[in-house]
Amino acid sequence: AQTVTQSQPEMSVQEAETVTLSCTYDTSESDYYLFWYKQPPSRQMILVIRQEAYKQQNATENRFSVNFQKAAKSFSLKISDSQLGDAAMYFCAYRSEGGAQKLVFGQGTRLTINP
Amino acid sequence: DGGITQSPKYLFRKEGQNVTLSCEQNLNHDAMYWYRQDPGQGLRLIYYSQIVNDFQKGDIAEGYSVSREKKESFPLTVTSAQKNPTAFYLCASSIQGRGTEAFFGQGTRLTVV
Repeated sequence: AQTVTQSQPEMSVQEAETVTLSCTYDTSESDYYLFWYKQPPSRQMILVIRQEAYKQQNATENRFSVNFQKAAKSFSLKISDSQLGDAAMYFCAYRSEGGAQKLVFGQGTRLTINP
Repeated sequence: DGGITQSPKYLFRKEGQNVTLSCEQNLNHDAMYWYRQDPGQGLRLIYYSQIVNDFQKGDIAEGYSVSREKKESFPLTVTSAQKNPTAFYLCASSIQGRGTEAFFGQGTRLTVV
């Protein structure tokens, strides 16, 4: 079974600084995607970034980038120039692309931005 | 406007009663998911469905049941067999395809009284 682990329940960062959120996963499959979702206080889930396992190049979306280490099964999220609006719960997720597309999430990391 | 609608937003249930949470989407998505969110445990998958009249158990299906009679609807029933049903429940859907984004409803907060 696929599992996703986020070992940092809480993180904090000063506004304008950079922070990295960690995520590891376990799978025996080779074809999958990894995602980072953001859940602000409104509880509305928002996609931040996605990474295809077959691609070696790390995905980037403006201030958000990932460090994808396939052999180590690691998928961290880096937020640069942190802004107050980045404060939220961040969830790492895994989805198999073969057969049933089961979407599995980690425990989440609560990110606080200090002004 | 297209989207996913969960209702009700808040739900109270007496112990021993079954209750059904509604999830409707007009995005023409094939896949639908139900998650339970508890503090410190993230989103745990209850059931998911890739196609009408077919669904699979997730990691915590015990005490829950679903149906998928229509593409746009995926209701979740919390039965009296669920030992600790008080939680926040999220429904999601996605289109078939590689790496497609999951869209989420606003959630239902279920409280057992």
